[in-house]
Amino acid sequence: EPEVTQTPSHQVTQMGQEVILRCVPISNHLYFYWYRQILGQKVEFLVSFYNNEISEKSEIFDDQFSVERPDGSNFTLKIRSTKLEDSAMYFCASSEFARGNTIYFGEGSWLTVV
Amino acid sequence: QKEVEQNSGPLSVPEGAIASLNCTYSDRGSQSFFWYRQYSGKSPELIMFIYSNGDKEDGRFTAQLNKASQYVSLLIRDSQPSDSATYLCACHGNAGNMLTFGGGTRLMVKP
Repeated sequence: EPEVTQTPSHQVTQMGQEVILRCVPISNHLYFYWYRQILGQKVEFLVSFYNNEISEKSEIFDDQFSVERPDGSNFTLKIRSTKLEDSAMYFCASSEFARGNTIYFGEGSWLTVV
Repeated sequence: QKEVEQNSGPLSVPEGAIASLNCTYSDRGSQSFFWYRQYSGKSPELIMFIYSNGDKEDGRFTAQLNKASQYVSLLIRDSQPSDSATYLCACHGNAGNMLTFGGGTRLMVKP
């Protein structure tokens, strides 16, 4: 069964460092997403991406965050200068179509900022 | 502000019983609704989705939607210990393609 894959599964970084989280969405999917979940809290939407541009973003997705699809398969989330409060599980997700279509999640990348 | 509310639980049921999980949402324009299961430290795993008022059955799972009451529920029949997890309700609004998640209900199925 096709799945969304994410790397790394866990990363520890020093506050102020840049982090790049990588994802390979399901191959025939056109919409890509990043969500995050702080320990013990709700899953929160960060950003959606379609046709090589951001289609929607939340208030959380400020200037320190960026997304990119550098080639035909990878989708990345960059956090420019990490803060302690960025510590969370980051989920990449993808869907074949837009609104109303099922979104499939990757296994997540645990980010710990120290 | 779009909100999706769930009782955090834990909801404890004996093995073989029916577990009933509930969710309310504030955005009246929400069009589609999803139930995900999340084991501790893992990613959300889709159980089922529902778009229309009424019931939708898939194996041991039944999703129920009442748009007038802005209420979604998930019934799990013949609950098994392996069903013990947190169940997340999520909604797509009528604009944009983001999912809004509830905080989840922790289900414990006791052997």
